[in-house]
Amino acid sequence: GQQVMQIPQYQHVQEGEDFTTYCNSSTTLSNIQWYKQRPGGHPVFLIQLVKSGEVKKQKRLTFQFGEAKKNSSLHITATQTTDVGTYFCAGNSGGYQKVTFGTGTKLQVIP
Amino acid sequence: NAGVMQNPRHLVRRRGQEARLRCSPMKGHSHVYWYRQLPEEGLKFMVYLQKENIIDESGMPKERFSAEFPKEGPSILRIQQVVRGDSAAYFCASSPVRLGAGRQPQHFGDGTRLSIL
Repeated sequence: GQQVMQIPQYQHVQEGEDFTTYCNSSTTLSNIQWYKQRPGGHPVFLIQLVKSGEVKKQKRLTFQFGEAKKNSSLHITATQTTDVGTYFCAGNSGGYQKVTFGTGTKLQVIP
Repeated sequence: NAGVMQNPRHLVRRRGQEARLRCSPMKGHSHVYWYRQLPEEGLKFMVYLQKENIIDESGMPKERFSAEFPKEGPSILRIQQVVRGDSAAYFCASSPVRLGAGRQPQHFGDGTRLSIL
């Protein structure tokens, strides 16, 4: 079945440093979504990418979808303590109904 | 516009009891998805339902687990004869169209934290 892996699993950064998480799928994706989950909270939708090579920005967050539509990345510039949480990518393939979530990257920001 | 509503937020059961988790999707959403999340792990897909129909239950354990989404009322995830390993957070999500058909993401509820004593 489809597998979606994320690296790194954990990341500790000093406040102000940049952060990147990478998402890799075993199959080609029709679209990819990114979610953020705060400790004790629920996943909150951040963005969806659909086109090959697509790049989208949300303030300090930059999302990229690979040319082959099998990988994606999320980059945060100048992290803040409010960025703490686990970031998940989630992919949808072809005609499949379900979304497969990545393994997640847990971000800790040290003030 | 109310979001996805799940109840209860926390549920404690003893081994062998039944657990019923409820999910009311966002208004206008007819597609419901259930996920299970163990501590420090990602979300694992369990089942996808559309009103009165189970579309994909490939992530559901074969025994003790069942799900429904009746014409009227919330979606129910039912776990019979619970065991310690069922302790997890169970999240429900909804979408207005089936995923992949458009650009509509899933919206998640706050989850039900199930603890088995």
